[in-house]
Amino acid sequence: DTGVSQDPRHKITKRGQNVTFRCDPISEHNRLYWYRQTLGQGPEFLTYFQNEAQLEKSRLLSDRFSAERPKGSFSTLEIQRTEQGDSAMYLCASSPDNGGNTIYFGEGSWLTVV
Amino acid sequence: AQSVTQLGSHVSVSEGALVLLRCNYSSSVPPYLFWYVQYPNQGLQLLLKYTTGATLVKGINGFEAEFKKSETSFHLTKPSAHMSDAAEYFCAVSEGDDKIIFGKGTRLHILP
Repeated sequence: DTGVSQDPRHKITKRGQNVTFRCDPISEHNRLYWYRQTLGQGPEFLTYFQNEAQLEKSRLLSDRFSAERPKGSFSTLEIQRTEQGDSAMYLCASSPDNGGNTIYFGEGSWLTVV
Repeated sequence: AQSVTQLGSHVSVSEGALVLLRCNYSSSVPPYLFWYVQYPNQGLQLLLKYTTGATLVKGINGFEAEFKKSETSFHLTKPSAHMSDAAEYFCAVSEGDDKIIFGKGTRLHILP
């Protein structure tokens, strides 16, 4: 069990550019979550998947954000036309299902928009 | 919708003293409750969780929490603080099969 893996760990991009983050969950975990965390705040829910189905998207997820989990395994989070307000840590987590199961977090991907 | 309130964004205790971090939740159904810890530049690690059964839950590193339905609380305690406990702590709640929602966090400072 290698844990949840996120790539890249750090990304610096210019405003207006597109960025993509990848998350590889723990194998056989059906649930995959994306959260965003800014300094001094708790993780804010963005979206989650049950296998390849996207079950819910937060209103924080503007139309510039898109997440996919095409084969029910790894997931990508793309941010188009980045803005300085997008600077944050993007956390991915996975769990077997919910119903009280622990969700396991990756180390996060830091995004800095300059 | 479920929500979490953590009282005190910063808490300072002396090494060896009692640690108490407060968490209140709102949920329309019996909740699942969690405490996670985050060290600098790292992801979150589960300390403990309450699902069903015994309301006093023991976790890693000597932490425990008690689910009090009447008070809608799930406070985190540790009898004796260590320097290594300095970190950010997050309380979280989920309803049934739904997503997990986190509080804003409490940063714990340990004074020598």
